[in-house]
Amino acid sequence: AQSVAQPEDQVNVAEGNPLTVKCTYSVSGNPYLFWYVQYPNRGLQFLLKYITGDNLVKGSYGFEAEFNKSQTSFHLKKPSALVSDSALYFCAVRPHRDDKIIFGKGTRLHILP
Amino acid sequence: EAQVTQNPRYLITVTGKKLTVTCSQNMNHEYMSWYRQDPGLGLRQIYYSMNVEVTDKGDVPEGYKVSRKEKRNFPLILESPSPNQTSLYFCASSSRLAGGTYEQYFGPGTRLTVT
Repeated sequence: AQSVAQPEDQVNVAEGNPLTVKCTYSVSGNPYLFWYVQYPNRGLQFLLKYITGDNLVKGSYGFEAEFNKSQTSFHLKKPSALVSDSALYFCAVRPHRDDKIIFGKGTRLHILP
Repeated sequence: EAQVTQNPRYLITVTGKKLTVTCSQNMNHEYMSWYRQDPGLGLRQIYYSMNVEVTDKGDVPEGYKVSRKEKRNFPLILESPSPNQTSLYFCASSSRLAGGTYEQYFGPGTRLTVT
């Protein structure tokens, strides 16, 4: 079955430190990969996407993600965390030649002052 | 302003009473979708639509119906709601850009409680 895994329910990082939120996927073919962020009592906002090309993609708010085909991963990263980055982060995948979208369960990111 | 709107934002209802949650987008997007968000389960796709009069089941379509009579609207219908449909619902839309990237714009959510 096609799936997306976010192995950490919660990640705690001190402000100013680098952060990583992990995502792995299991789909057929070459997928389209996305990261979204959800702030409290809000809808999801698009952060970045990988479609093809350079494995390192840059997105909103200083976030970036690296596509690793051999490890089927698409980890979200930021060099220096801000308290305002605290939110719920979702990884999503659109399998190749499929119109469904599959989301991970989400990772809650806490940035500690 | 480009946006996806949902109504109502909050709804408390009783088992078996038919309800409709409306979704509308003003971006002329072809692709629209409904999700439910439950603690520990993330977002799960209920139904999606590639264009007018074209709808398909997502991963959890049971107990839901949708229609796409106009490009901008994609209502979610619960014919006979049950307590296990208590959830936070999101509508989303995206453009079918070249390559079909499906970067989605989300509505603010509808919190539904079925007693």
